[in-house]
Amino acid sequence: AQSVAQPEDQVNVAEGNPLTVKCTYSVSGNPYLFWYVQYPNRGLQFLLKYITGDNLVKGSYGFEAEFNKSQTSFHLKKPSALVSDSALYFCAVSRFSGGYNKLIFGAGTRLAVHP
Amino acid sequence: GAGVSQSPSNKVTEKGKDVELRCDPISGHTALYWYRQSLGQGLEFLIYFQGNSAPDKSGLPSDRFSAERTGGSVSTLTIQRTQQEDSAVYLCASSTYGVGLANDTQYFGPGTRLTVL
Repeated sequence: AQSVAQPEDQVNVAEGNPLTVKCTYSVSGNPYLFWYVQYPNRGLQFLLKYITGDNLVKGSYGFEAEFNKSQTSFHLKKPSALVSDSALYFCAVSRFSGGYNKLIFGAGTRLAVHP
Repeated sequence: GAGVSQSPSNKVTEKGKDVELRCDPISGHTALYWYRQSLGQGLEFLIYFQGNSAPDKSGLPSDRFSAERTGGSVSTLTIQRTQQEDSAVYLCASSTYGVGLANDTQYFGPGTRLTVL
C-alpha cells in the first residue's frame, strides 16, 4: 500500500543554516510527491511537487526537494533557514485509486528555526 | 479572490447540536476534498467530490457526517448531533481535475476550527 513516512516529529535549525526535512515513501509504480507547509492557524500551502523529470524540484519561498528513487526519499531542503520558515511541513504521495488521484499525507514535521 | 475560502473560520457548539461548514473552491476547479485535522494529528481524508457527485466517501467517520456540493462549486459539510471527539480543524481543498491526472495539485483553504463543548 502507498504510504509516506516523516521520521522526525521536529527539526531544530539555527537561522542561516541549511535545513532538511525528511520524507520517505512507499508506492507501486512511479511516485507523484508533494510538499505542503502549514503556518499557525492557517491552511496548507502548496510548496512543490515531483511528477517526472529533473530530480531536483524547486518551489516556493526558496525551498527545493530532491527525489531519490533508489532511497525512495523526497527530502525538503533550503540552503539558508529563516525564522519565518518555522511551521508544520507535510509530505504527501499521490495514489491513483477509485478513479482519481488521492493524496496520502505523512504525519508532519514541525520545523523550528531559532534566531 | 483566487483561493479556497471556508466559513466560518471558528465554530463553537454544544454537544448534540448540528453544524454546517462551508467551502468555496477556486473558480473552475472540478474536484473538491474535505479533510479533518485533529489536535496533534495529521490529515484525515473525509470525502472527495468530482463535480457534484462524491465517488469517494470512504473517510466519513460515521453516519452523522454528510456532505453535498451544488452547482459544481460550493460544498457544505454537515455534522449532526456533534460529539466532543468531532472537535478539529476541517480543511477543504480543490483541484483542477482530480480524475486521473497525477500532476493535479490540491489547494487548501484556511480551515474551520470546530470546538464541541
